[in-house]
Amino acid sequence: DAKTTQPPSMDCAEGRAANLPCNHSTISGNEYVYWYRQIHSQGPQYIIHGLKNNETNEMASLIITEDRKSSTLILPHATLRDTAVYYCIVRGGGSEKLVFGKGMKLTVNP
Amino acid sequence: DTGVSQDPRHKITKRGQNVTFRCDPISEHNRLYWYRQTLGQGPEFLTYFQNEAQLEKSRLLSDRFSAERPKGSFSTLEIQRTEQGDSAMYLCASSLQAISTDTQYFGPGTRLTVL
Repeated sequence: DAKTTQPPSMDCAEGRAANLPCNHSTISGNEYVYWYRQIHSQGPQYIIHGLKNNETNEMASLIITEDRKSSTLILPHATLRDTAVYYCIVRGGGSEKLVFGKGMKLTVNP
Repeated sequence: DTGVSQDPRHKITKRGQNVTFRCDPISEHNRLYWYRQTLGQGPEFLTYFQNEAQLEKSRLLSDRFSAERPKGSFSTLEIQRTEQGDSAMYLCASSLQAISTDTQYFGPGTRLTVL
């Protein structure tokens, strides 16, 4: 079973920041938080991952709380092309596979 | 573009037929994964290889499924005696083994429809 909880859906206005929450209250010390997204009928796309510290790349920022029980993916300026299902995944502890939940559908509106 | 590639992209077959899918990983990635995704669900892990060795198989991988990675490069996934329940998107991913964690990159998938 997935070790994360995400709301089923969220809307965001184009050009605004999209803040996507994820709860992972049972995360272990050596487990990473990964984010992927999937645009309809395509393979999942890697976005970002982190362990303890906040991370930023050209796509997004990842904010992990100090107790590591939750995180937020931030898309700083959402565009229509960011409409997708976003998956928050906890991985590590010797397990190589990704365990996907149902994810969260983000809809960016014009 | 040197991402993960999968062939074919779409496959329609009749129940009882055998099908084979191919995955070409990112060059020099030594790990290769297969996942299956049905409508409205997230991808589910099937199996993974490190080089040519198949190291883990899911209980989802019934006896009708077999995966190979003969030379540690491309991989094939074969489904024998297909059933309508096998209809799904079959996804391949690859990664480069690392000390701490490795990132999996996915291909576009093969959509299988069993009539």
